[in-house]
This record gives sequence, C-alpha cells and structure tokens, in this order.
Amino acid sequence: AQKVTQAQTEISVVEKEDVTLDCVYETRDTTYYLFWYKQPPSGELVFLIRRNSFDEQNEISGRYSWNFQKSTSSFNFTITASQVVDSAVYFCALSEGNGQNFVFGPGTRLSVLP
Amino acid sequence: GAGVSQSPRYKVAKRGQDVALRCDPISGHVSLFWYQQALGQGPEFLTYFQNEAQLDKSGLPSDRFFAERPEGSVSTLKIQRTQQEDSAVYLCASSLASTPQNPRGYEQYFGPGTRLTVT
Repeated sequence: AQKVTQAQTEISVVEKEDVTLDCVYETRDTTYYLFWYKQPPSGELVFLIRRNSFDEQNEISGRYSWNFQKSTSSFNFTITASQVVDSAVYFCALSEGNGQNFVFGPGTRLSVLP
Repeated sequence: GAGVSQSPRYKVAKRGQDVALRCDPISGHVSLFWYQQALGQGPEFLTYFQNEAQLDKSGLPSDRFFAERPEGSVSTLKIQRTQQEDSAVYLCASSLASTPQNPRGYEQYFGPGTRLTVT
C-alpha cells in the first residue's frame, strides 16, 4: 500500500527565512512519481513539480528546490528567502506506476510573516 | 489556455437532497479524476476515468456516489440522498494519458473545487 507522511502540520517563519517542508513516502512499486502541490487560501491546488523514481537528480526552480533521496524515501521541498505570498498549504503526493491512484499527504500549512 | 473548471463553486443542500457537480477538464486531457477534500485534510481519491471509461471507483464512499463521463470530456459527480458527512470540497483534476513514455501524463491539474455543505 502507498502512503505519504508530512510530519509538519504547521510551520511559521519570518519573511526571508529559508524553510524546508518534509515528505516521506511508502510504496512497493519500483516505478513511481512524486509531486508537490501548493494550495493557497483561494483553494485551488497548483502543481509545482513532478519527480520520477528513476531520476534522483535534485531540482532548483528559482527560490524552490527539491531533494529526492530514495535511500530514505524522502522528497523534501525547500523555499529559499521565503515571501508572504508563499503562505499556503503544501501537499506532497505519490502516484504509483499505473498513474491512476494519487495519494496525498495531510499537508503542511506554511505561514510566512512579514 | 483554459484550465479545469468546476461548477457550481458552492452548493448548499438539505440532508436527503440529490446534488450534481460538474467538471470541465482541460481540452485534450484523457484522464479525469475526482477527489474529496475534508476540512484541514489532503484530497482523497474517489474515482478515475480514462476517456469515457471509469477505470477505478474504489474511492467512492458509498453507493450514493456516482460519477459519469459519457462522451469522454465533461464529467458529473452525483451524490444521492446527501448526508452531513458528505460536506467537503470536491476537486476534479485532469491529465494527459499517463504512460512511462510520457511521464508528463502523470501531472494532474486541478480545478477550483466545489464546496458542498449539507445542512
């Protein structure tokens, strides 16, 4: 069975601080896909990144970076120099090889204070 | 281009009423998913279509829930005899065909959701 754990329920930081959101997953498949989504107060889930299980290269996109470590089944998300607009709930999700069953973690609520 | 749209955005139903929630996926997207998101929780999978075929409905909580996508485009999620525990945000997502040769097909794009309140 697949499972996604986001141990941090809520995080508060002051603007310009760096913050890392943790994600740990469980799956028996050898091929799977990991995702991060942002859900701002407006409610719409915004796709941020997809990572394939066979590609462990880390990725950076502007102030965002992702650290995928298969050895620890983790896919952590770091925001550098956080801004107030980063305040949202962030979800980590897992899709096994069939691409049908998308499992979300419980989410981490990030508050960036001015 | 246009994203996933859902209507209505808000629905209040009295317990026992039937409701129908509509989803318009991104044009050309083969796969369509429905999720239920309770307050303060992550989305939970309900059902999945590939074109007009409903390939997985394992997440539907009861036989009061029914989804269809008759022409492989617009989808409707119907809830019969609504109960208070059905109150949630219902999210629709669509994606391209997901194959190992096209991993972008695994990226799901979400609509704004329909907030259902059953009183």
